[in-house]
Amino acid sequence: SAVISQKPSRDICQRGTSLTIQCQVDSQVTMMFWYRQQPGQSLTLIATANQGSEATYESGFVIDKFPISRPNLTFSTLTVSNMSPEDSSIYLCSVAGGISYGYTFGSGTRLTVV
Amino acid sequence: GESVGLHLPTLSVQEGDNSIINCAYSNSASDYFIWYKQESGKGPQFIIDIRSNMDKRQGQRVTVLLNKTVKHLSLQIAATQPGDSAVYFCAERETSGSRLTFGEGTQLTVNP
Repeated sequence: SAVISQKPSRDICQRGTSLTIQCQVDSQVTMMFWYRQQPGQSLTLIATANQGSEATYESGFVIDKFPISRPNLTFSTLTVSNMSPEDSSIYLCSVAGGISYGYTFGSGTRLTVV
Repeated sequence: GESVGLHLPTLSVQEGDNSIINCAYSNSASDYFIWYKQESGKGPQFIIDIRSNMDKRQGQRVTVLLNKTVKHLSLQIAATQPGDSAVYFCAERETSGSRLTFGEGTQLTVNP
């Protein structure tokens, strides 16, 4: 399966600031997704990162708060903007398609906003 | 919207016993299902998957059963080991789309 490198693995940020999370894949993949996992809860899809076009956001998530880049088939970034304590979560990158089958996840970014 | 849910939030078993984790889904259009294992501090790890044209699939110590009539999915783990302790999620994919929808998760604890 694809190998995903997600950075940073964790961070503690001040409210009002922004954090950009990077997702690097070792092979070209068609689909990349960003999820949020709040403490003790399941995964919620934020958006699908499309190469060469704007990301597709799920209900409840907006581009101004979670801008996404997808410059090529192996890389994407998610920015959490103007953070508040409610944004404290694990953010996960996932990929599908390419040489591997199924949906693979990165190890996640554990974000704490103080 | 459509949702995927689990019957039991927690499951505690003795080492060596078989474990069964259940999942109910509501989207009859879903064509593909995956079980993930998530250990503390890690991302979800693929365990096994099944397509909607199948009702059973076996892996190493794991079996997934799909009952489309009642929209039910289960994961069976044989001879459960302490290393199996984790949160288990089911996920479904809609036929018309590519995204996954996750269930609420079950915390499996294996007692030695």
